[in-house]
Amino acid sequence: GNSVTQMEGPVTLSEEAFLTINCTYTATGYPSLFWYVQYPGEGLQLLLKATKADDKGSNKGFEATYRKETTSFHLEKGSVQVSDSAVYFCALIRDDKIIFGKGTRLHILP
Amino acid sequence: DAGITQSPRHKVTETGTPVTLRCHQTENHRYMYWYRQDPGHGLRLIHYSYGVKDTDKGEVSDGYSVSRSKTEDFLLTLESATSSQTSVYFCAIRGTGGSYEQYFGPGTRLTVT
Repeated sequence: GNSVTQMEGPVTLSEEAFLTINCTYTATGYPSLFWYVQYPGEGLQLLLKATKADDKGSNKGFEATYRKETTSFHLEKGSVQVSDSAVYFCALIRDDKIIFGKGTRLHILP
Repeated sequence: DAGITQSPRHKVTETGTPVTLRCHQTENHRYMYWYRQDPGHGLRLIHYSYGVKDTDKGEVSDGYSVSRSKTEDFLLTLESATSSQTSVYFCAIRGTGGSYEQYFGPGTRLTVT
């Protein structure tokens, strides 16, 4: 079946550090891939997406590339800020159903 | 902003009482969803709707019912609340882009004592 696996958290980094949150997926065919972010006390917000192999999604300094050969969609940011502290969810959509990873909590220290 | 509101935002209720949560959207989206979010489980789909009076079950539908009598409103009812239904509930709509991404409301925190 379809599934999403993302790295366990929490991840703690200092401000201006490089961020990578790993996400791999299992799916038939070519799912669309997403990263969502959830700030404390809020709902999930769509951060970026990619709909086909080798697509790169980007937003607010975050990037992720759809890698079909490694079934991965890792989230990266070159220089994190305290305001990036949140929970990040990787997700895929296949056959009209969205499947989420369990989320990775990110703490950025000033 | 997909124009989604949820009410109430917080509720405390007693075991055995009925509870209804409301999701309201202003942009005429056809698909609407109810999820619950619990530590260690991520988001789990409860029910979804693909049009007025058209609904279907998700992976954790036991103990919940839904209704959609108007495009803009999707109601989630706990017929007899239990402590295991203490959770944060999110409503979502499906966007109209071809990739079917979903947009979420702000959530309702429900505590069943």
